[in-house]
Amino acid sequence: GIQVEQSPPDLILQEGANSTLRCNFSDSVNNLQWFHQNPWGQLINLFYIPSGTKQNGRLSATTVATERYSLLYISSSQTTDSGVYFCAGHPSGGAGNMLTFGGGTRLMVKP
Amino acid sequence: DAGVTQSPTHLIKTRGQHVTLRCSPISGHKSVSWYQQVLGQGPQFIFQYYEKEERGRGNFPDRFSARQFPNYSSELNVNALLLGDSALYLCASSFYRTSRSGANVLTFGAGSRLTVL
Repeated sequence: GIQVEQSPPDLILQEGANSTLRCNFSDSVNNLQWFHQNPWGQLINLFYIPSGTKQNGRLSATTVATERYSLLYISSSQTTDSGVYFCAGHPSGGAGNMLTFGGGTRLMVKP
Repeated sequence: DAGVTQSPTHLIKTRGQHVTLRCSPISGHKSVSWYQQVLGQGPQFIFQYYEKEERGRGNFPDRFSARQFPNYSSELNVNALLLGDSALYLCASSFYRTSRSGANVLTFGAGSRLTVL
């Protein structure tokens, strides 16, 4: 199966700071998604981004499929951005739609 | 519009017992997948069901089983519970069976947190 590496594993920011989270895949993937997991465990879809760039408010994401990586940008961070960010993808050519997740980036935004 | 709903939200079992977790997908979604998330790790795929048939299985022992009903809801069953089964169990639904069918966003429920003592 594919391997998904996320960096950094932990990140502490002061409110208002910007950050970039990275996700590397060992092989080509489909169905690439970014999620935010809140302290209660709920996984919230942030982006479905198999390629290209998308923006949603203070968040944006870029996927370079040919180089097998994706980036999540958080601008003007707020304390409510705290939590764990996961990227996940499905191996290209594989059956079904199972997602392989990375280990996550644990973000803490301090006031 | 209701999202993916899971029950129960929390439960405590002892080793050797059996547990059943339930999931109702988003209306119109025919695919349901189950994931296990151990504390401090990313979710791991357990099963996918589509149109009441198993379409994928992760690297989990036979103690884990699931099924999907005609209304597309699903149950995950775990027999002979071990301490290591303590985890957050997540259900996700999607419209398509495969990612090649189109944009196939998985939407997750809030999870069932299982503690095995």
